[in-house]
Amino acid sequence: EVHLLESGGGLVQPGGSLRLSCAASGFNFSSFAMTWVRQAPGEGLEWVSSISARGGGIFYAESVKGRFTISRDRSKNTLFLQMNSLRAGDTAVYYCAKNRGPGVSAVKDYWGQGTLVTVSS
Amino acid sequence: SVLTQPPSASGTPGQRVIISCSGSSSNIGSSTVNWYQQLPGTAPQLLISTNDQRPSGVPDRFSGSKSGTSASLVISGLQSEDEADYYCATWDDSLSGVVFGGGTKLTV
Repeated sequence: EVHLLESGGGLVQPGGSLRLSCAASGFNFSSFAMTWVRQAPGEGLEWVSSISARGGGIFYAESVKGRFTISRDRSKNTLFLQMNSLRAGDTAVYYCAKNRGPGVSAVKDYWGQGTLVTVSS
Repeated sequence: SVLTQPPSASGTPGQRVIISCSGSSSNIGSSTVNWYQQLPGTAPQLLISTNDQRPSGVPDRFSGSKSGTSASLVISGLQSEDEADYYCATWDDSLSGVVFGGGTKLTV
């Protein structure tokens, strides 16, 4: 059974940094692209970033480009999102999602339960 | 949002509801569309993939279609447990990223 468990969320001051993790199990982590999607309180879903199965293809939303870095550790079956220069507008629940295939454009077929990031002074 | 959905929809039990999703040639017009259901207080889950494919476990009351730069989600035989937010999504070649619709809140 596919399982995705996000961690690392919390309260951070504007300008601060956080590193989110997503521990994956139940599938061959190295064969599938992975994605981060966020949802601000009371708002809709917003794509943040995706990384291909081998890590060679990385894409970011314009709103986070230059501030966030996605990465993956195949030995630990873990996806990461390093978030720097955080702003109030980054406050959201961050979901980790598995892509159906190795490419970043594939459908996200499994989602974690999310981790809340709050940016506030 | 890059993809346009009606913010709300409603129906009574047993009715048929259609939720639309409108895009452009760089997204829906050149990629397949996926639909996600988000029940209150939970994470999104895949409802329809590749325009019209139901993942295992999704009732056949849910169906999807795509034509040109638009897509639709049809829910037949509406049930109270269908009350949720529904999102369409696809890849956008111009933006080189995933785009979501703004979401449709379905009230039963």
